[in-house]
Amino acid sequence: GNSVTQMEGPVTLSEEAFLTINCTYTATGYPSLFWYVQYPGEGLQLLLKATKADDKGSNKGFEATYRKETTSFHLEKGSVQVSDSAVYFCAMNRDDKIIFGKGTRLHILP
Amino acid sequence: SQTIHQWPATLVQPVGSPLSLECTVEGTSNPNLYWYRQAAGRGLQLLFYSVGIGQISSEVPQNLSASRPQDRQFILSSKKLLLSDSGFYLCAWNGQPLANYGYTFGSGTRLTVV
Repeated sequence: GNSVTQMEGPVTLSEEAFLTINCTYTATGYPSLFWYVQYPGEGLQLLLKATKADDKGSNKGFEATYRKETTSFHLEKGSVQVSDSAVYFCAMNRDDKIIFGKGTRLHILP
Repeated sequence: SQTIHQWPATLVQPVGSPLSLECTVEGTSNPNLYWYRQAAGRGLQLLFYSVGIGQISSEVPQNLSASRPQDRQFILSSKKLLLSDSGFYLCAWNGQPLANYGYTFGSGTRLTVV
C-alpha cells in the first residue's frame, strides 16, 4: 500500500550542527513529495516540495531531493538554529489526499 | 490570496457534551476540505474530507461527524464527547492540483475533554 516512513525522534542537536531527517515512501506511480513543519501550538506549514524525480525542494535553508531509485526524500540543513525546533512531517499525495509520516520532533540546543 | 480560518483556538468540554468546530476558507471556490486530528505526541489522523457541498467521506468510524453546508465552510461535530476525543484538530484545504500545491492548514483547535 501507500505509506511514508520517517525516522523516529526526538532528534536533539546543538546549534549550527548538520541536520538530516530520513524519509522513504512506498507508492504506485510517482507522487509529489512534501515536508511540513509544525511549530509548538501551531498548525502545519508547507516547508518544501518536489513534484518529480531529481527535483530539489528548498526553503529557509532546508533542502530535500526526490530520489526515485531509493524512494527517498531526506530533509537536510547545513546549520540548524534554535528556531528550527519543531516537528517535521514527510508526506506524499495519493488519490486527492496527502499521506503523512508520523513526524520527527527536532530539538536544537543553544 | 487564500486564507483558512479555524475556531475556536482552544476548547475544554465535559464528557458527554456536544461539539462544533468550524473551518472556513476565503479566496477560493470549490476547495477540497479536510479534518485531521493529532493526539498528544502522535501523528496526523485523517478524519473526514469533502470535495463539494454535502459530500463527506469518512476515513475512520468514530464518535464524530462532519458537514459542509456551504462551499467554503466545513464543520466537525459530535453529539456526545468522549475522553478519547481530546486532541489537536486541524482543518486543511488544497490548491489544485494537489500534487503541485499540497495542503494549507488552519491554526488548529486544541480540544480537551474532561
